[in-house]
Amino acid sequence: SYELTQPPSVSVSPGQTARITCSGDALANKHTYWYQQKSGQAPLLVIYEDAKRPSAIPLRFSGSTSGTVATLTITGARVDDEADYYCYSTDLSDNHWVFGGGTKLTV
Amino acid sequence: QVQLVQSGAEVKKPGSSVKISCEAPAGTLFTYGISWVRQAPGQGLEWMGRIIPLLDVPKYAEKFQDRITVTADRSTHTAYMELKSLRSDDTAIYFCARDVRGAYYNVLTGYHYYMDVWGNGTTITVS
Repeated sequence: SYELTQPPSVSVSPGQTARITCSGDALANKHTYWYQQKSGQAPLLVIYEDAKRPSAIPLRFSGSTSGTVATLTITGARVDDEADYYCYSTDLSDNHWVFGGGTKLTV
Repeated sequence: QVQLVQSGAEVKKPGSSVKISCEAPAGTLFTYGISWVRQAPGQGLEWMGRIIPLLDVPKYAEKFQDRITVTADRSTHTAYMELKSLRSDDTAIYFCARDVRGAYYNVLTGYHYYMDVWGNGTTITVS
């Protein structure tokens, strides 16, 4: 099976830049998607196709990929951004769609 | 604001089956797929399967291949997920989500789909 690896936790002070990484062997060739999940709520799409941002998502959220590592960047993180963040992608065969283990962001 | 309305909580015995529903706005299932994702207590998200619009072809995660059936009724704009041979570790919140066709296309495997709108979840307790 395929795995995406995320750090369990990231902590920043308000106003700082938070970077959450996602590692996977196929990420250089497949898109990465990022979801935010606040406590007790359904997930929310924040980045799709590596770097595109849905219209309702604030500009401070951005995504990028370098080689096999995708990164979600929150520039000027706010207390309201505290949540679990999950990356989502597939392997080279497109047969194994998986989420990363999730990263708890503390602001 | 697009909303997906999921059926209510279920309590099931081990070994039994459960079928839950996800109602979408009229017309949704002609254009979008539906994915099912679950989250066990205190755990992360786990993609289970999806049904692709118009093709009516389901795609399942290998882990659930033998136990899951995902269907869609376009006339009632409702998708369903049935899980059989329930075990205690199937206790989780089950989310449906609208699948959008992405830009990526592979001649062998077709388009990629990703989840952009989520339902509020259905709690299934197996005990």
